[in-house]
Amino acid sequence: NAGVMQNPRHLVRRRGQEARLRCSPVKGHSHVYWYRQLPEEGLKFMVYLQKENIIDESGMPKERFSAEFPKEGPSILRIQQVVRGDSAAYFCASSPVGGWQETQYFGPGTRLLVL
Amino acid sequence: SQQGEEDPQALSIQEGENATMNCSYKTSINNLQWYRQNSGRGLVHLILIRSNEREKHSGRLRVTLDTSKKSSSLLITASRAADTASYFCATDNSGGSNYKLTFGKGTLLTVNP
Repeated sequence: NAGVMQNPRHLVRRRGQEARLRCSPVKGHSHVYWYRQLPEEGLKFMVYLQKENIIDESGMPKERFSAEFPKEGPSILRIQQVVRGDSAAYFCASSPVGGWQETQYFGPGTRLLVL
Repeated sequence: SQQGEEDPQALSIQEGENATMNCSYKTSINNLQWYRQNSGRGLVHLILIRSNEREKHSGRLRVTLDTSKKSSSLLITASRAADTASYFCATDNSGGSNYKLTFGKGTLLTVNP
C-alpha cells in the first residue's frame, strides 16, 4: 500500500514566483490536511480539506495561499508570489475519516526554498 | 508555553539505555499522538493514546498519559542508534476543531553507538 505521496520533494523558487505543491493521500482516504514546519519548529496546521470542499482554512494566510482537493487528482497547495518567509517544509497528511478518531498519516513533505 | 510542548529539547544517550521524553499540553484532548521525524524526512506515526487510557505499549515504546496534569511521556527502552530522530507529541482539542493537530517543537534524541 502506498502511503501519502508528495511532490516535488524539493522546490526552489525565486521571490515573486508561484509554488505548487501536490499531495496524493493514502488510497481510500478522503480527508487531507496541510501543515507547515519552519526550521527547528513543530508543525503548524494550515488547512483541512475533504473532496471538493475546504473544511477549515484558519491556519492558512489569507493572501497568496490557496488549497484545493478536487474530485479527481491530488490535493494542491498553491503559494503565489512567494517570499523568503515562505521557505519551510510543507507536509500533507490524510485520514479515512475526519476528526480525532483517526490517525493522520503524513507524507515525506515538500521542502520549499525561496531565493 | 504552547500546546504540545516537549522536554527536554535535546537528549543524548548511549545505545542500550532508555530514553524518556515528556510532553505537556494546555487544553482538554480526545487523544495524544507521538510521531518521529528523521532529519529532513517526514513524520512517522508511533502511537496514539486516547484520553481515557493511562498507558499504552508498542514494541519498545511505552506511552503514559496523565490528563489531570495534562502531560504525557514517551519511553523508548533499549535504545538503538537508529532511534536517533526528533520526537513530537501532537494533540487535538476536544473543545474545538478536533482534527487540528497541535505539535510541539520536539525532542531531538541522539543515540550514540
